[in-house]
Amino acid sequence: EAGVAQSPRYKIIEKRQSVAFWCNPISGHATLYWYQQILGQGPKLLIQFQNNGVVDDSQLPKDRFSAERLKGVDSTLKIQPAKLEDSAVYLCASSPTRGTNEKLFFGSGTQLSVL
Amino acid sequence: AQSVAQPEDQVNVAEGNPLTVKCTYSVSGNPYLFWYVQYPNRGLQFLLKYITGDNLVKGSYGFEAEFNKSQTSFHLKKPSALVSDSALYFCAVRDMGGGSYIPTFGRGTSLIVHP
Repeated sequence: EAGVAQSPRYKIIEKRQSVAFWCNPISGHATLYWYQQILGQGPKLLIQFQNNGVVDDSQLPKDRFSAERLKGVDSTLKIQPAKLEDSAVYLCASSPTRGTNEKLFFGSGTQLSVL
Repeated sequence: AQSVAQPEDQVNVAEGNPLTVKCTYSVSGNPYLFWYVQYPNRGLQFLLKYITGDNLVKGSYGFEAEFNKSQTSFHLKKPSALVSDSALYFCAVRDMGGGSYIPTFGRGTSLIVHP
């Protein structure tokens, strides 16, 4: 089966610019996650969707970050405006359900560099 | 709040020797525990999980992990390391009840297997 697809693979922008990342989960997976992985740290959850509804966005910096999953399939994460500290790898993951015993399937990530 | 600690930033082991990557956790309820591996420029890949039952869990690529409730630990082990096992390893926890359902990851341990 096809895995989780993410694009672009790399992105370099200047601070205060805007950027968007795209994710297409595994077909049929209802739950989608966006994680931020800063170099030397573990992934930190930004937002979790169940179909097209938000389950948890408590760690999303809502003054600059936004995410949507309008049709319950693919998702977009946006940063506007970007700051230097947003430099990180943005990982998208999906799972069949939001069950706590479910493993996550990860994409390869988008590496963002903010200059 | 749930949390995961991986006390070692790096583990070095010679090829053919046994390896252990340590993980301890904290949850308010009972834990679901996971190990993931990340190769360079790739997303995280699932290795194994503990849900319930036998404390020794076997996973992919010859890895296993031992759940110890009294020590709140879930150490990853392999009897004989390969150079190709060199990667970043992440422990993750989800709370079965009474806490957050979101997966929380440790900061990762870099495993280096020397020829």
